[in-house]
This record gives sequence, structure tokens and C-alpha cells, in this order.
Amino acid sequence: GNSVTQMEGPVTLSEEAFLTINCTYTATGYPSLFWYVQYPGEGLQLLLKATKADDKGSNKGFEATYRKETTSFHLEKGSVQVSDSAVYFCALSDPGAGNMLTFGGGTRLMVKP
Amino acid sequence: NAGVTQTPKFRVLKTGQSMTLLCAQDMNHEYMYWYRQDPGMGLRLIHYSVGEGTTAKGEVPDGYNVSRLKKQNFLLGLESAAPSQTSVYFCASSYSGRAGWNEQFFGPGTRLTVL
Repeated sequence: GNSVTQMEGPVTLSEEAFLTINCTYTATGYPSLFWYVQYPGEGLQLLLKATKADDKGSNKGFEATYRKETTSFHLEKGSVQVSDSAVYFCALSDPGAGNMLTFGGGTRLMVKP
Repeated sequence: NAGVTQTPKFRVLKTGQSMTLLCAQDMNHEYMYWYRQDPGMGLRLIHYSVGEGTTAKGEVPDGYNVSRLKKQNFLLGLESAAPSQTSVYFCASSYSGRAGWNEQFFGPGTRLTVL
């Protein structure tokens, strides 16, 4: 079956530090990959996505590249802000599984001023 | 345009009680989903619907029932609540299930505690 593995948090950084959150996946088909963000007390919002190998998704300074050879989709940002503090979820949708989303466990990011 | 809304926001039940969570979307989406979120486990799909009048089981359907009588509404029912159902419940919707059209939009969540 499909699965998504994320690094465990919390990740604590100082403002303007470089961020990497690792995500690897297993899938039976050829999935699309997503990063969702959940701010405190809110639902999830789509942050970025990539639908095929070597695609780079980007939004709000965040980037992630779909790496088929390493089955990875790591999230990066060059300079984090306090407002980036949230929980980040990696997810995949597999056409072979009806395009339902499979989520990783989430990584909490805390950015200190 | 309210997006996805959920009612109620919070609820406390005693073991054995029943309740219904309501999800509504105003984006004319075909697909709707119910998830539960537990610490360290991400979101797990309970049930979903690919259109009005249709429902299907997800990863963790036991103890829950759903109905989609109207396209814009998706109800999640707990017939006899158990402490293991203490969780945060999220509803989501998407235009379709096809790749490229399956971005899911989430509601704000319902925090349920079963004593």
C-alpha cells in the first residue's frame, strides 16, 4: 500500500534560518505529491504540489522537488519567519488508489524571533 | 464564499451517546471527505463521497456512518460514541478525483471528546 514518512518534530529554528523538512513516500502507482500547512486552530491548506518527476512546486518562498529516483519530496525555505510556525503535512495521491490522499504524520515547525 | 464549514466546532459526549457532524461546501464540489486527526498520525480517511447519494469507506470507517443527501452537505454520524473516537475531525471537498483537479479544501475542524 501507499505510505508517507516525514521527519518527526518539533523543528525549532530561529528567524531567517534555512528550513528542510524531509518527506519520503512509497506508492504502487505514479503519484502526485503535496505539502499542506496547518496553522494553529485551523484546517489544512494546500501549500504546493508537483504532479510528475522533477517538477518543482513553489509557493510563499517554500519549494519542493519531486524526486522519483529517491522517492522524496523534501520541503525547503531559505529564510523562515515567525509566521511560518505551523504543522506541515506531506501527502500523495495515487491514481491507482482512486486519487485519495495519503498523509504523513506531520511535522511541527516553531520559529523563534 | 464560505468554502468548507463544519458544525459544531467543539463537542463533549459521554460513552454511548450519538451525534452528527455537519459539513457544508459552497464550491459545487463533487467529492467530499471526512478525516480524523490524531497526534503523530496525520489525517486518516474515514469515509468519502464521489457525488450526491454515494458514499464509500476509507481507511478507518468502523464506528461511523455518513450520508450525502445533498451535493453541498456531507454528514458524519457516530451511533454509539467510544473514547477511542476522541479526535479532531476534518471535512474536505474537491472538484473531482482526477489528478490535477483533486486539490482538497478543508474545513476548520470539530474537536470531539468522548468521556
